[in-house]
Amino acid sequence: DAKTTQPTSMDCAEGRAANLPCNHSTISGNEYVYWYRQIHSQGPQYIIHGLKNNETNEMASLIITEDRKSSTLILPHATLRDTAVYYCIAKHMNRDDKIIFGKGTRLHILP
Amino acid sequence: DTAVSQTPKYLVTQMGNDKSIKCEQNLGHDTMYWYKQDSKKFLKIMFSYNNKELIINETVPNRFSPKSPDKAHLNLHINSLELGDSAVYFCASSHGEETQYFGPGTRLLVL
Repeated sequence: DAKTTQPTSMDCAEGRAANLPCNHSTISGNEYVYWYRQIHSQGPQYIIHGLKNNETNEMASLIITEDRKSSTLILPHATLRDTAVYYCIAKHMNRDDKIIFGKGTRLHILP
Repeated sequence: DTAVSQTPKYLVTQMGNDKSIKCEQNLGHDTMYWYKQDSKKFLKIMFSYNNKELIINETVPNRFSPKSPDKAHLNLHINSLELGDSAVYFCASSHGEETQYFGPGTRLLVL
């Protein structure tokens, strides 16, 4: 079973910031928070990951609460191409720990 | 300059046949994976290989046999195909336990 919970779906207007929440209340101290997305008919695409600190890259920002029980993925200026299923994943950095994909959040960007 | 490639993209075959799906990565990664995404869109890991050594082997029928001729390739051979094997199969690769990068998927339909 996935160690994270996410809303089933969300809508966001094009050009606005999309904020996708994720709960991981049982995350252990050395588990990273990863975000992937899957655009229709494509393979999963890595977005960003972090451990404790907030992270930002060219795609998104990741805000992790101080207690690490939840996080938010922020797409600063959503476009129609950001319509996808977004997966939040908790994972150790060791080769025996596999990625467990939950149901994710289906994000609809509205024109 | 595709990073993770899979062939074929589509595969339609009869029950009972034996088929192979090929995966190649040009990222210089040492770890490769096979995932299965069923009709309900759940994405689950099947196998992972590190430097040609099997690391993760989920509860997968032994009709499925991964083969890694070298670090850049991980092929999936399926014997005696069944209707329930119809799914999208994704290959992925990573450098050790770091971020995984996925291929475009192979859509298998067993008739």
